[in-house]
Amino acid sequence: EAGVVQSPRYKIIEKKQPVAFWCNPISGHNTLYWYRQNLGQGPELLIRYENEEAVDDSQLPKDRFSAERLKGVDSTLKIQPAELGDSAVYLCASSLSAGNGRDTQYFGPGTRLTVL
Amino acid sequence: AQSVSQHNHHVILSEAASLELGCNYSYGGTVNLFWYVQYPGQHLQLLLKYFSGDPLVKGIKGFEAEFIKSKFSFNLRKPSVQWSDTAEYFCAVNVAGTYKYIFGTGTRLKVLA
Repeated sequence: EAGVVQSPRYKIIEKKQPVAFWCNPISGHNTLYWYRQNLGQGPELLIRYENEEAVDDSQLPKDRFSAERLKGVDSTLKIQPAELGDSAVYLCASSLSAGNGRDTQYFGPGTRLTVL
Repeated sequence: AQSVSQHNHHVILSEAASLELGCNYSYGGTVNLFWYVQYPGQHLQLLLKYFSGDPLVKGIKGFEAEFIKSKFSFNLRKPSVQWSDTAEYFCAVNVAGTYKYIFGTGTRLKVLA
């Protein structure tokens, strides 16, 4: 079974440039999460999808971040424009959605973003 | 706001030593508890989880964790570590009935051969 796939693995951009990250979850997983992990910190949730619906985006900086999950499968996270403080690892995870928070989340390898 | 504390940021042990990594959370209600591990060059993966019942749970690779409700703790243990246990370990707490997961800052474990 293929795991969660993310691309690109690394991205270096200059500030004020746009950037996009792509995630393909495990087949059949209804719930998809985007996390940001700053250096020396644990993952912090940005947005969670149940199928194609964003059900928790309270931590997403909506002035510059956007996300979509068309057809309830692949997802894209975008930053426009990027700031120096956006340098981090962006993780995608998926789960079967047991409906009670007991899901095991399966993480992708992450995209390491460096903003110069 | 809920938080998760992992007080040991870096731990260095020799092979065969015993391991205990601390995890404390701040939330008075029902929680689901997880330990995730990230081996060098690999992605985060589940080590073990606790929902209810026996507070001592066993996970993969000989790891176990004990939930002590009165101390709001979920410490990870292994009686004898191996070089291959070198990794970063994250404790995570889920407020039961929600999808809100809070991760700790992680503990980097280095096991010397």
